[in-house]
Amino acid sequence: GESVGLHLPTLSVQEGDNSIINCAYSNSASDYFIWYKQESGKGPQFIIDIRSNMDKRQGQRVTVLLNKTVKHLSLQIAATQPGDSAVYFCAENGGYEKLTFGTGTRLTIIP
Amino acid sequence: NAGVTQTPKFQVLKTGQSMTLQCAQDMNHNSMYWYRQDPGMGLRLIYYSASEGTTDKGEVPNGYNVSRLNKREFSLRLESAAPSQTSVYFCASILWGGDTGELFFGEGSRLTVL
Repeated sequence: GESVGLHLPTLSVQEGDNSIINCAYSNSASDYFIWYKQESGKGPQFIIDIRSNMDKRQGQRVTVLLNKTVKHLSLQIAATQPGDSAVYFCAENGGYEKLTFGTGTRLTIIP
Repeated sequence: NAGVTQTPKFQVLKTGQSMTLQCAQDMNHNSMYWYRQDPGMGLRLIYYSASEGTTDKGEVPNGYNVSRLNKREFSLRLESAAPSQTSVYFCASILWGGDTGELFFGEGSRLTVL
């Protein structure tokens, strides 16, 4: 993932608009990626995952895109709602089940 | 079905004291993890155990030791606590090879080292 130890970048989006959260990863051997949502004071919650043999996967209101060429992952949230306000993390399996997280992005929904 | 259970939820230590964070999962998962999360920051991997009987260093292992006691339990020990170890610690587990690959997290253990 992105460099650890950095403070969270932020993204503000109008309610009802679509959100795109980006994540760069560094390990070209990573074969599995997961997006998590963390609300204040809680542990991370699974949103969606994607394996390296795919470039797109859709869930309910969320889509994950994987570009292995540039080692980039994105999470698209459609029609954002106030409940989507949280910190979003991408995680990668760099091999041997070593699961590491990116820096995270704080998403704020503007009413 | 409790999922992932961590104890204690809160702990205050003095510099130099030792303690062990306990983690247990009842989902028959093969891999378990310890992460730390500092305020406003991301999750950093301390140690992980890919399977029963194995443990490996993560990104920030210094100052910590772990034990995979059995398939269910994975403990994290601070031998001589330092203020820099003040953080929220999360245990997690996953069943690799399962359908979703979802990493299940405990509720977190908030540790303060004075």
